[in-house]
Formats: sequence, structure tokens, C-alpha cells
Amino acid sequence: EPEVTQTPSHQVTQMGQEVILRCVPISNHLYFYWYRQILGQKVEFLVSFYNNEISEKSEIFDDQFSVERPDGSNFTLKIRSTKLEDSAMYFCASGSQAMNTEAFFGQGTRLTVV
Amino acid sequence: GESVGLHLPTLSVQEGDNSIINCAYSNSASDYFIWYKQESGKGPQFIIDIRSNMDKRQGQRVTVLLNKTVKHLSLQIAATQPGDSAVYFCAENMGDYKLSFGAGTTVTVRA
Repeated sequence: EPEVTQTPSHQVTQMGQEVILRCVPISNHLYFYWYRQILGQKVEFLVSFYNNEISEKSEIFDDQFSVERPDGSNFTLKIRSTKLEDSAMYFCASGSQAMNTEAFFGQGTRLTVV
Repeated sequence: GESVGLHLPTLSVQEGDNSIINCAYSNSASDYFIWYKQESGKGPQFIIDIRSNMDKRQGQRVTVLLNKTVKHLSLQIAATQPGDSAVYFCAENMGDYKLSFGAGTTVTVRA
């Protein structure tokens, strides 16, 4: 069964450092998303991406965040200068249509900023 | 077992009983809703969805009910099993390109 894969599963970084979280969406999907979940809290939308550009982004997704689809398979989330409050699980998701259909989520990357 | 009121963060249910998880959503214009299950250390997993032109949809052992009048969504799990222990989130489509998730209900199945 096709699945969304994310690497690494756990990333520890020092405050102020840049991190790149990687995702391989399901191959025939066209819509890509990043969500995050702070420990014990609900899943929060960060950004959606379609046709090589951002479709929508939340208030969380400020200038420190960026996304990229560098090739035909990878979808990355970059945080330029990490803060302690960026510590969370980051989930990548993909979908075959615009968001009126299910999105498939990866297993997540646990980011710990120290 | 049933989570009463708009939302309870935890629900304990006896194995074999039916579970009802409730969710209130915020946007009356939302037209698509999903229930996700999240097991410890994993990403959200799709359970069932419903569009706003329906008020009930059934899957395998699960039923989703939608009441647009009071903006309320519920997930019913029949004959709850130990493998159903997880956090359950409702999510609504706030527009074409994002989902808004509820706070989640932790379901614990007692043997």
C-alpha cells in the first residue's frame, strides 16, 4: 500500500540552527501539506503546496519557514533558525485532489530544539 | 461509553461496548469532515469522512453522524476492540487547501 514517508524520525537541533525535514509523498499525488503537533495538543495546519507553489499557509508559517519540492519525489520543510517553541511532531501529508478528500499522513518527524 | 457534551478529552470503554466520540466544529461553511485515528508515535490515519450534503455515513464498524444545525459531528464505533485505543480527531475542511483539527479524544478500551 502506498504511503507517505518522512525522514528523519527524530531530529535534535540546537536553538538557532537550521533544520530540513524531508518527505516523500505518495507518487501520484499532487497536493502536499505540512502540519505540526506540539506534544499533547491538536494537529495544526502549517502550509499547503500545489503546482510548485504555496496554496495556503497559516500564521505559524512565518518567514522562518519555507517549503520546497526540489525534484519529482521529495517535499521538504525548512526552518531557518529554530526556536525552542518549534519543538513538535511535524507531519507531511499528501492528497490526490484538493482538500475535499482524504489526506494521507506520514509517520511524522519529532523535532526537539534544545 | 460516550463522551458527553461538546467534547471530552478522554473516553474509557469496555471491550465489546459501543463508543461514541463527539466533536463540535466551528465553521458553518465547512463542507467536508474527516475522522482520524492517531496511535502513539504515528501519524493520523483516515477512518471515515462525510460531506455536508449527508447526515450519516457508515463504514466497517464505524458510523459518522453530522448535525449541521448545531455544528456537531460524532463517531460511533461498534463493538470496541483493544486495537481501537487511540486518540481520535475530527477535522473540517476550512477551504480547499487545509484541514482544521479538533482537540482530540483519547479512547482507552478496558479488557
